Amino acid sequence: DADVTQTPRNRITKTGKRIMLECSQTKGHDRMYWYRQDPGLGLRLIYYSFDVKDINKGEISDGYSVSRQAQAKFSLSLESAIPNQTALYFCATSGPGQGSNEQFFGPGTRLTVL
Amino acid sequence: DAKTTQPPSMDCAEGRAANLPCNHSTISGNEYVYWYRQIHSQGPQYIIHGLKNNETNEMASLIITEDRKSSTLILPHATLRDTAVYYCIVSSRSTGFQKLVFGTGTRLLVSP
Repeated sequence: DADVTQTPRNRITKTGKRIMLECSQTKGHDRMYWYRQDPGLGLRLIYYSFDVKDINKGEISDGYSVSRQAQAKFSLSLESAIPNQTALYFCATSGPGQGSNEQFFGPGTRLTVL
Repeated sequence: DAKTTQPPSMDCAEGRAANLPCNHSTISGNEYVYWYRQIHSQGPQYIIHGLKNNETNEMASLIITEDRKSSTLILPHATLRDTAVYYCIVSSRSTGFQKLVFGTGTRLLVSP
């Protein structure tokens, strides 16, 4: 089984709908992240969380919210989806401490907002 | 965080070494160099990282110049499955948070 899973893998929705993307991990990591990727561009950080009680905005948090339900689960919500939120969304995790800076990414969720 | 400069694309013949350069002339003393790759819209995959010494693992080698202003990722025997976008990232660990700023990377095409 994959260490970092994302659901759904693909989603098509309409403008104004509320959407939740879910991420689960079995790596035992305390840090989790949400990124989006637009065609031909690199990844941009939306939100990140050091632990259940610590959530921080990234560089493009407007229009998004997150929930860290447990150490292993980190959800991203679009309260009212708009077409320019059409993108590929990735969840990632990392462990703390020296030498554990690599982030492990999920397979991604392709979201289309019509 | 320091910015990085990478060529937009490179080609490599299968079985040959792929050498991917990265410039990071404004890197500061506590910033590490990380390399990730992304194979066709899959989640990015960590490859290797280093501070100032050269590093090697089962996937690749990382050569960092003495002044730390540039580095090279080496895939010693490239295969078709190494075709991907490779990201060079410089990240500070001073705050305990590994902020990874992904640019547009180098698109490596490995051909038969």
